[in-house]
Amino acid sequence: DVKVTQSSRYLVKRTGEKVFLECVQDMDHENMFWYRQDPGLGLRLIYFSYDVKMKEKGDIPEGYSVSREKKERFSLILESASTNQTSMYLCASSYLGQGWNQPQHFGDGTRLSIL
Amino acid sequence: ELKVEQNPLFLSMQEGKNYTIYCNYSTTSDRLYWYRQDPGKSLESLFVLLSNGAVKQEGRLMASLDTKARLSTLHITAAVHDLSATYFCAVDANSGYALNFGKGTSLLVTP
Repeated sequence: DVKVTQSSRYLVKRTGEKVFLECVQDMDHENMFWYRQDPGLGLRLIYFSYDVKMKEKGDIPEGYSVSREKKERFSLILESASTNQTSMYLCASSYLGQGWNQPQHFGDGTRLSIL
Repeated sequence: ELKVEQNPLFLSMQEGKNYTIYCNYSTTSDRLYWYRQDPGKSLESLFVLLSNGAVKQEGRLMASLDTKARLSTLHITAAVHDLSATYFCAVDANSGYALNFGKGTSLLVTP
C-alpha cells in the first residue's frame, strides 16, 4: 500500500514563527502536493511539485513556500505564521504521466493552530 | 479556472434509502475522482472515472461520469450508517498534475 506520512498530526505555533511541515511518501511518486482544508471551503491547493527541486504554485500560495530536495520528501514552509493559517494541512502524492489514471494518495493531515 | 460544484453539501438520510450526490464541473475534463473522508481522518480514494460513460461500483456506492454534461454522480443504494462521511469529487484540469476539489458532501445516515 502507498504510504504518505506527515510528520505531525497536531502542531501549535505562535504568530511570526517559521513553521515546517514535512511529508514523505514511499511509492516513488513523481508528483507531490500540499493542500489546506477549511470547513465549507473544501481542499485548496497551495503548491505542488512534479520533480525534485521543481515547484508550481497552486491556488493559494501566498504566505507559503515549499522545498523538494529529495523525490520522496516535500516540505511546506510558513515563512511567518499568521492566525489565518490555522487549518488542516494535507499532503498527497501521485504518479506522473501514465499514472494519470491513478488517484492521489493522501497523508493523515496536520492540524496546525497558530496562536 | 476550473470550478467544481457538489450538491447537496449536507445530506441526512435514513438507513435503507437511496440518494444521489451530484458533481458538476465547468471545463472539459475526462478524469474525475471520488474520495471519502471520515471525521478526523484523511481522504480515501473511492473511484477513478476516466472516460465518458464510465461507471464504477463498490458495495452500495456507484459512480458515473458524463463528460458531455460535465457531470458525475455518486449514487447510494440502501444506505447504512457506515456510509456516514464526507464525500469529495475532484476533477483533473487536464494538466496531469493538480486536482480541483468540490467542497464536499457531508452525509449522515440515521436509523
